[in-house]
Amino acid sequence: DGGITQSPKYLFRKEGQNVTLSCEQNLNHDAMYWYRQDPGQGLRLIYYSQIVNDFQKGDIAEGYSVSREKKESFPLTVTSAQKNPTAFYLCASSPVPGQGLNTEAFFGQGTRLTVV
Amino acid sequence: AQSVTQPDIHITVSEGASLELRCNYSYGATPYLFWYVQSPGQGLQLLLKYFSGDTLVQGIKGFEAEFKRSQSSFNLRKPSVHWSDAAEYFCAVKSGGATNKLIFGTGTLLAVQP
Repeated sequence: DGGITQSPKYLFRKEGQNVTLSCEQNLNHDAMYWYRQDPGQGLRLIYYSQIVNDFQKGDIAEGYSVSREKKESFPLTVTSAQKNPTAFYLCASSPVPGQGLNTEAFFGQGTRLTVV
Repeated sequence: AQSVTQPDIHITVSEGASLELRCNYSYGATPYLFWYVQSPGQGLQLLLKYFSGDTLVQGIKGFEAEFKRSQSSFNLRKPSVHWSDAAEYFCAVKSGGATNKLIFGTGTLLAVQP
């Protein structure tokens, strides 16, 4: 089945460590996104990528980094510079505008990151 | 700047009762609007979307939403709520420009009483 796979589902990190969250999609979408979800704040955009080897900062990019070496993959690294990393992280993908009528984003099941 | 407001943080309804979740947006042009649902610890599932045309949009699970440009609203409705509808609901608007980035509201948590 086509979809978006995020792993792991739960992740624990010690303070001062970097950690990488995986996101893979087989929907053949060009665009991929990372959102952070905190209680009562909705979803906020961290980074997005519209094409391989290119990505853009979202609203809360500080303390995070990404790469887009393959169309299917968009890993997110939470660095030690992120002061409050405990959150639920959601990856999404979509076509880019102009590629068709279905411009909605499809979401993975999320990764819950906890700093211990 | 674009924004989405969901004024109700938490709503409780009885099973079988009707439901309306409010969403107001701020956007200069004709917006692309979405409603997503999220069960605890899960990702987001698209309920319905509005791009253009008929302002009353039908979605999955018996949900519908009505786009009202004059009120900058896109409220979600369901005539009879089921216990399985208990979840968090997010309204979103597509950000402007040549991307499909979404701007989300803060969500409405729906509880269903038996």
